[in-house]
Amino acid sequence: GEDVEQSLFLSVREGDSSVINCTYTDSSSTYLYWYKQEPGAGLQLLTYIFSNMDMKQDQRLTVLLNKKDKHLSLRIADTQTGDSAIYFCAETLPGTALIFGKGTTLSVSS
Amino acid sequence: GAVVSQHPSRVICKSGTSVKIECRSLDFQATTMFWYRQFPKKSLMLMATSNEGSKATYEQGVEKDKFLINHASLTLSTLTVTSAHPEDSSFYICSASPGTVDNEQFFGPGTRLTVL
Repeated sequence: GEDVEQSLFLSVREGDSSVINCTYTDSSSTYLYWYKQEPGAGLQLLTYIFSNMDMKQDQRLTVLLNKKDKHLSLRIADTQTGDSAIYFCAETLPGTALIFGKGTTLSVSS
Repeated sequence: GAVVSQHPSRVICKSGTSVKIECRSLDFQATTMFWYRQFPKKSLMLMATSNEGSKATYEQGVEKDKFLINHASLTLSTLTVTSAHPEDSSFYICSASPGTVDNEQFFGPGTRLTVL
């Protein structure tokens, strides 16, 4: 089957780093994404990584990919209250729809 | 950047009526658009893949006569929920891909459907 697994909740304090983990199942997936969804809103693409990469950094965001273990993580440095949202990881093959995890709710307290 | 719009953003209708949701790619052409449904506190589930000029491909368990999808042009796909019932209440999100090398898909803002 095709299941993308994520932990459901993460709670951090403002200024700390947040790490959201994801396990995907299809080793042939070529693109892996992280999306952010704020309450009542649509999806915002945060970053993505191609499967031949191990790491990608974009300002406060760092994505790590362990293809052997099919493990993807998103690290948010200096987490702010505005980062509170649901974060979805997703995998796909070219030209196909995304397969989403159930989402991790990130709660940032001041 | 690429923008995808959805209309309406929110709709409340009576049971038994039909509701049409539009998904438009505003500044790019999308040969493929996808329709997702999101239940409260749940992930997004793919409903169907919509290709311009051809019939949509529906996921298992999605009734094609219930959820009519039309992709008449490279910038517009519509989802019509026919004879809506309260259990159809959900958040519907479309995405469109310009077919670039990174396979990026751009999501619409979503449509909140409430069936009374």
